Amino acid sequence: QVQLVQSGPEARKPGASVTVSCKASGYTFTDCDIHWVRQATGQGLEWMGWMNPIHGGAGYAQKFQGRVTMARDTSISTAYLELSSLIFEDTAVYYCGRVPARPSNYYGIDVWGQGTTVTVSS
Amino acid sequence: QFVLTQPPSVSGAPGQRVTISCNGSSSNIGAGYDVHWYQQIPGTAPKLLIYDNNNRPSGVPARFSGAKSGTSASLAITGLQAEDEAHYYCQSYDVTVYSSKVFGGGTKLTVL
Repeated sequence: QVQLVQSGPEARKPGASVTVSCKASGYTFTDCDIHWVRQATGQGLEWMGWMNPIHGGAGYAQKFQGRVTMARDTSISTAYLELSSLIFEDTAVYYCGRVPARPSNYYGIDVWGQGTTVTVSS
Repeated sequence: QFVLTQPPSVSGAPGQRVTISCNGSSSNIGAGYDVHWYQQIPGTAPKLLIYDNNNRPSGVPARFSGAKSGTSASLAITGLQAEDEAHYYCQSYDVTVYSSKVFGGGTKLTVL
C-alpha cells in the first residue's frame, strides 16, 4: 500500500538545524511531488513548501525562505526537510505528504506521513 | 491570520446534519482554484476527505460532501456519528501568497 514513513522525534537547541526524512513506498516516487506541512501544538496546519522528486526543484513558503531546504534521494525514494536557525516557535509536528497531480500546489495531499515531532528548547 | 476563514467550532447531535464553511477571496477560491478538505483526529495525521471541491477519495463515506460557490466552499456531514468528532481543514491555492497552498484555520466538530 502507498505509504510515507517519517523519521523519529528530534530535539534541538535554538540556532541549530534539523533534518526530517520521509520515505515513500507503494508507488513510483517520482510520480508525485512531496509537500511539507507543520502544526504547532493546538494550532492549525501551516504549509511550508514542495519538492519535485524528478529534478529536485523546490518552492518554499515566503515565511521560510532562506531557512528551509527540501531535497530528495531518488535511489531510496526518500524526501528530506532541513530547517535551520531554529527558534522556539519552530516546535511543531512536521508532516510530509504527496500530491498525485501537477502543478501540485493546486491539488490536495492524498497521502500523509505519520508526522515527526521537532522540539526546540534550551 | 489565515487566508481561508473557517468557524472555530461547530456541533451537532448524532444523526443530524452539519456544515462547515470556508470563506476565501478573489485570489484563491474566487479565482477558480479547487478546494480540498481534510479531517484530523487528535494525535493523528490529517486525512484527505474531499478533493477538487466535491469528490470523495475511495473509502470516505457518502455522508461527507463538498460544495463551492463564488469565493466560498462548504463541507457537509449528514447522519452525524460520534467518530466524526475531529478537526476539519479546508485548503486551496492562492495566487498572491507567493503562489502557495493555503489552509483554513480549522474547525472543531463536536458530536453532542
